[in-house]
Amino acid sequence: GENVEQHPSTLSVQEGDSAVIKCTYSDSASNYFPWYKQELGKRPQLIIDIRSNVGEKKDQRIAVTLNKTAKHFSLHITETQPEDSAVYFCADHTGAGTALIFGKGTTLSVSS
Amino acid sequence: DTGVSQNPRHKITKRGQNVTFRCDPISEHNRLYWYRQTLGQGPEFLTYFQNEAQLEKSRLLSDRFSAERPKGSFSTLEIQRTEQGDSAMYLCASSPSDIQYFGAGTRLSVL
Repeated sequence: GENVEQHPSTLSVQEGDSAVIKCTYSDSASNYFPWYKQELGKRPQLIIDIRSNVGEKKDQRIAVTLNKTAKHFSLHITETQPEDSAVYFCADHTGAGTALIFGKGTTLSVSS
Repeated sequence: DTGVSQNPRHKITKRGQNVTFRCDPISEHNRLYWYRQTLGQGPEFLTYFQNEAQLEKSRLLSDRFSAERPKGSFSTLEIQRTEQGDSAMYLCASSPSDIQYFGAGTRLSVL
């Protein structure tokens, strides 16, 4: 069945460095790719998303790139800050009203 | 708070008991989803409602699980005869389109 592979599972960076998390999906019908940030004990919060007709999207220090041919998409965080420390999940789905399929998450630790 | 609201936040129960969780979606969101999240994993889909109609159920949703959304607003998820393997965070999400907004979840511990 459909699955999403996410790497790495843990990532430690120094404050100010960049962080990159990669996901690979299997369903060629996938057309929506969100990224969620989840802090301990809190709800998953949408931080950025991209749709299949776009190759890249940027929002301040966060960017997402999508390669539909290779079926992978990546989250890029620049100038990391300690408050970026959290678990990040990638996901995809094939349209409104369909379930999000999540990766297993990446625990990002930013040390000052 | 105008976000997705879930109650209770925590539930501790003994094996074999029934539990019910409630989700209040963002107003006017016609789509509502339930997910289950265990430690170290991403959320896994359980079921989906569009308005009051339950349109999709995952294989994860055993016969002991039932969900309702009677008036197309709030939803309940009931687990009958709980088992230790049911211990998890149960997340609800609502959506007006393809973007899903999550609640903070109900953490279930089955002793």
